[in-house]
Amino acid sequence: KNEVEQSPQNLTAQEGEFITINCSYSVGISALHWLQQHPGGGIVSLFMLSSGKKKHGRLIATINIQEKHSSLHITASHPRDSAVYICAVLIQGAQKLVFGQGTRLTINP
Amino acid sequence: KAGVTQTPRYLIKTRGQQVTLSCSPISGHRSVSWYQQTPGQGLQFLFEYFSETQRNKGNFPGRFSGRQFSNSRSEMNVSTLELGDSALYLCASSSLAVYTDTQYFGPGTRLTVL
Repeated sequence: KNEVEQSPQNLTAQEGEFITINCSYSVGISALHWLQQHPGGGIVSLFMLSSGKKKHGRLIATINIQEKHSSLHITASHPRDSAVYICAVLIQGAQKLVFGQGTRLTINP
Repeated sequence: KAGVTQTPRYLIKTRGQQVTLSCSPISGHRSVSWYQQTPGQGLQFLFEYFSETQRNKGNFPGRFSGRQFSNSRSEMNVSTLELGDSALYLCASSSLAVYTDTQYFGPGTRLTVL
């Protein structure tokens, strides 16, 4: 079983819909990152969380440390949000990131 | 500020050869980490350097090695290439000593091993 599991693996939605991507992990962590990868490979770091909730524009990330779960929400989704979203955790006591398999999001106009 | 740069962007090698990839971090960043991305395994951590010292290493064979120079630029070397080494290799830099800082990723080097 992977230490980091994301769901769903693929998600297709219509422009304007509210999107939720989930990340569950089975290890103790110091922090959790949400990353966005567009076609062509470039990766952008969206959020780094160790507790609570963060918001940036239409993106909201939450984390529940007790339940070992994080969610990434996109409000008023737009075709330019189409990308692969990757959750990564920093394992407690270690200096390395472990990644989820990613969620491929497609927003249709 | 210029972003993280990686050279070359594309590379084709044959089995048994060796390859060196380069990463220049954002000015002032002292931490550089390397990742391998393949369709089957996704993103995997290779190693991280901070102030010329390797601080952690992922579960990769010894054929994968790296170093960091005094100007924080980093190189990654893969010796005796295998077909399975074909991947996108990404580096990321951050300013702080631990991963609780935002990682800034480079565009990657796409390596194809024939």
